[in-house]
Amino acid sequence: EVQLVQSGAEVKKPGESLRISCRGSGYRFTTYWISWVRQMPGKGLEWMGRIDPSDSYTDYSPSFQGHVAVSADKSISTAYLQWSSLKASDTAMYYCASGHGSSDPFDYWGQGTLVTVSS
Amino acid sequence: QSVLTQPPSVSAAPGQKVTISCSGSSSNIGNNYVSWYQHLPGTAPKLLIYENNKRPSGIPDRFSGSKSGTSATLGITGLQTGDEADYYCGTWDSSLSAVVFGGGTKLTVL
Repeated sequence: EVQLVQSGAEVKKPGESLRISCRGSGYRFTTYWISWVRQMPGKGLEWMGRIDPSDSYTDYSPSFQGHVAVSADKSISTAYLQWSSLKASDTAMYYCASGHGSSDPFDYWGQGTLVTVSS
Repeated sequence: QSVLTQPPSVSAAPGQKVTISCSGSSSNIGNNYVSWYQHLPGTAPKLLIYENNKRPSGIPDRFSGSKSGTSATLGITGLQTGDEADYYCGTWDSSLSAVVFGGGTKLTVL
């Protein structure tokens, strides 16, 4: 059974850095691209970017380019989403998602990681 | 503003049918497959429809999808209270080189 398991909720202050994770199991990790999706409070889903775990190729939505970084460590079947300097507006639920292609449709989703940024 | 346009809300009685529309353009829906997701509060989104009208294993045939030109539609028949959720359409946008989602539609089963 394919599973994506994300790291736990985080509470951070503005300006701090953060890395959240998404561990894949039940399949060969390098087979499926992993995307990250944001849901701000009371808002809809937004695709942030993706990574091909086989070679760590990444690309990003224009809305998120330069604001976050996606990476992966295939030796431990884990993808990451990272911020170097958080803002209050980064407060959101973040999901990792994957499927049989390089992007949509997303057959598999992580449980979500709630990130709260507050002074 | 979402690239794909969905109605904010729809409602219907148990047992009835509802449709949710998703409008886009030639750079997204017009030339790419559409997917639909169900998002229940406190859970991860769930894929309902892919490639416009295909259902993943385990999704009941009460859920259906269609596409015409630059618009897509999700249909749900035999509504149940458990269908109350937010529904999102999604597709690839060739101009943005990004996955785009609709703003979401909240389904209320009265």
